[in-house]
Amino acid sequence: GAVVSQHPSWVICKSGTSVKIECRSLDFQATTMFWYRQFPKQSLMLMATSNEGSKATYEQGVEKDKFLINHASLTLSTLTVTSAHPEDSSFYICSARDKKTVGDFSYEQYFGPGTRLTVT
Amino acid sequence: GQQLNQSPQSMFIQEGEDVSMNCTSSSIFNTWLWYKQDPGEGPVLLIALYKAGELTSNGRLTAQFGITRKDSFLNISASIPSDVGIYFCAGGDRYRSTTSGTYKYIFGTGTRLKVLA
Repeated sequence: GAVVSQHPSWVICKSGTSVKIECRSLDFQATTMFWYRQFPKQSLMLMATSNEGSKATYEQGVEKDKFLINHASLTLSTLTVTSAHPEDSSFYICSARDKKTVGDFSYEQYFGPGTRLTVT
Repeated sequence: GQQLNQSPQSMFIQEGEDVSMNCTSSSIFNTWLWYKQDPGEGPVLLIALYKAGELTSNGRLTAQFGITRKDSFLNISASIPSDVGIYFCAGGDRYRSTTSGTYKYIFGTGTRLKVLA
């Protein structure tokens, strides 16, 4: 159980184009999904939080007009990198939080396999 | 953003050896999660800890929630080559939230493990 999928697993695009990445929770409902960015040999940096049916909220320093997030259902969130530039090249990982609560306000959080974006 | 300190940063060990790593913070958490990330993959949840002092095992892995609630430890016994990867801790607390007010996990800097056969 608790499987999160991402599509595509890797993508190469030209500078100035837009790329959409899908994140799905396959066997559980996720009212909240998160998008992270990871640079080589570094930890995960939270970009934005996506709540089903409402607007995404972005962490400080993340451009919301560049990274468009849509959380259309309890099992699907999408990240669109608009007008991509080479500096947007990175490993993007989504994460879904299981709807059920464990303990005192705690949740288990599961990650997708990641999407490697290369902008040429 | 804020990160938790993990130690060691990296380690080489011989197959069959036991491994210990830890995650420390200057503030308190009420949940600790441990993940393993293979190259080019997303992190996989290994163990979740919800109570101070709790000791939980998952096969050869054992993790403990520090009694001060400011640290957590992960041990791997009898390491094998497939244990290679990066291990991340994540601390959560109801008073830490994303900009939307959602309960948020803070991730550690990672421990890179390499196992020599």
